Amino acid sequence: SQQGEEDPQALSIQEGENATMNCSYKTSINNLQWYRQNSGRGLVHLILIRSNEREKHSGRLRVTLDTSKKSSSLLITASRAADTASYFCALGKTDAGGTSYGKLTFGQGTILTVHP
Amino acid sequence: EAQVTQNPRYLITVTGKKLTVTCSQNMNHEYMSWYRQDPGLGLRQIYYSMNVEVTDKGDVPEGYKVSRKEKRNFPLILESPSPNQTSLYFCASSLSYRFGETQYFGPGTRLLVL
Repeated sequence: SQQGEEDPQALSIQEGENATMNCSYKTSINNLQWYRQNSGRGLVHLILIRSNEREKHSGRLRVTLDTSKKSSSLLITASRAADTASYFCALGKTDAGGTSYGKLTFGQGTILTVHP
Repeated sequence: EAQVTQNPRYLITVTGKKLTVTCSQNMNHEYMSWYRQDPGLGLRQIYYSMNVEVTDKGDVPEGYKVSRKEKRNFPLILESPSPNQTSLYFCASSLSYRFGETQYFGPGTRLLVL
């Protein structure tokens, strides 16, 4: 598959719990990005991790990337009801010359529901 | 405020009636792109533009046209819309196409073709 595949497709948790979403892929990538989408609205960028990085943090978000396993995970700690949204991983790939052409290939997303 | 704007936000039209969805960004971004989002299919790229007068097809370009005459604007044109183009459309931009930059998305345009 050219796109990332998120797992699970849906996740339901209580406020305060941690949420982990995974993204697996099959192609070589230059970077992997995570986006959030509130119902029917535009996507908001969360984190970009490059292929030579293994882990990045941003507030309550932690992203890991394992290029040998072609997988990434997004961890949201101490979740809040406001974190309820769909989360997408997007693969940034390059051509043989190393140019990405800005192309991102999106997975189908994980629907996260955080119950108050 | 740095943003990507799209108009209209909602549109109902009939088969065959030409329409244009506008997209504008105020961040002086080189790269702009159009996506459509459909249930079960995720986001798919329609067309992209690496700079003024430079456009290319994405994964699902059939039935669409674009132009990039100015850096800030990237309209999406449906010359003869069909019901299978009913979808949620997003415009996005990023600083450069070269290094896999963060993309900034517009709020979306929900299109219904009858």
